[in-house]
Amino acid sequence: EPEVTQTPSHQVTQMGQEVILRCVPISNHLYFYWYRQILGQKVEFLVSFYNNEISEKSEIFDDQFSVERPDGSNFTLKIRSTKLEDSAMYFCASSTQGVRLTDTQYFGPGTRLTVL
Amino acid sequence: RKEVEQDPGPFNVPEGATVAFNCTYSNSASQSFFWYRQDCRKEPKLLMSVYSSGNEDGRFTAQLNRASQYISLLIRDSKLSDSATYLCVVNFGNEKLTFGTGTRLTIIP
Repeated sequence: EPEVTQTPSHQVTQMGQEVILRCVPISNHLYFYWYRQILGQKVEFLVSFYNNEISEKSEIFDDQFSVERPDGSNFTLKIRSTKLEDSAMYFCASSTQGVRLTDTQYFGPGTRLTVL
Repeated sequence: RKEVEQDPGPFNVPEGATVAFNCTYSNSASQSFFWYRQDCRKEPKLLMSVYSSGNEDGRFTAQLNRASQYISLLIRDSKLSDSATYLCVVNFGNEKLTFGTGTRLTIIP
């Protein structure tokens, strides 16, 4: 069964450093998403991406965040200057048709980001 | 504000029992509804979509009441492997999923 993959599984970084989290969505999917989950809290939407542009983003997704699909398979989330409060599990998700069409989103295993 | 509310639990239930979870959502224009399951430190996995007519998948039954803005999940004949956090998830008509805080379930042997 095809699945979303994410690397690395755990990233430790110093405050102020840049990090790039990588995702490989399911191959025939067209819509891509990033969510995050701070330990003990609920899963929160960050951004959705379709046709090489952001289609929606949350208040959390400020200028420190960016997303890119540099080639036909990878989808990346960059945090330019990490803060302590960025420590969380970051989940990538993908779907074939987008949530508006009630399509299912499939989640990757996540990257645990720890900012020291 | 578009919110999804769940009882966080924990629910500690003996194996074989029936357990029900409830969820309320804030916006009557909500378009689609889901139950996801999340094991400790793992990703959310779709358990089932929730349809207006109600739907069943084996031991799991989901119900939607649009008038009361209420979703439920019923698990019959619970197994030890059902221990997890159950996430109520709503699409409010935009490109994102909105998650509840989750209800933690522990099945006791």
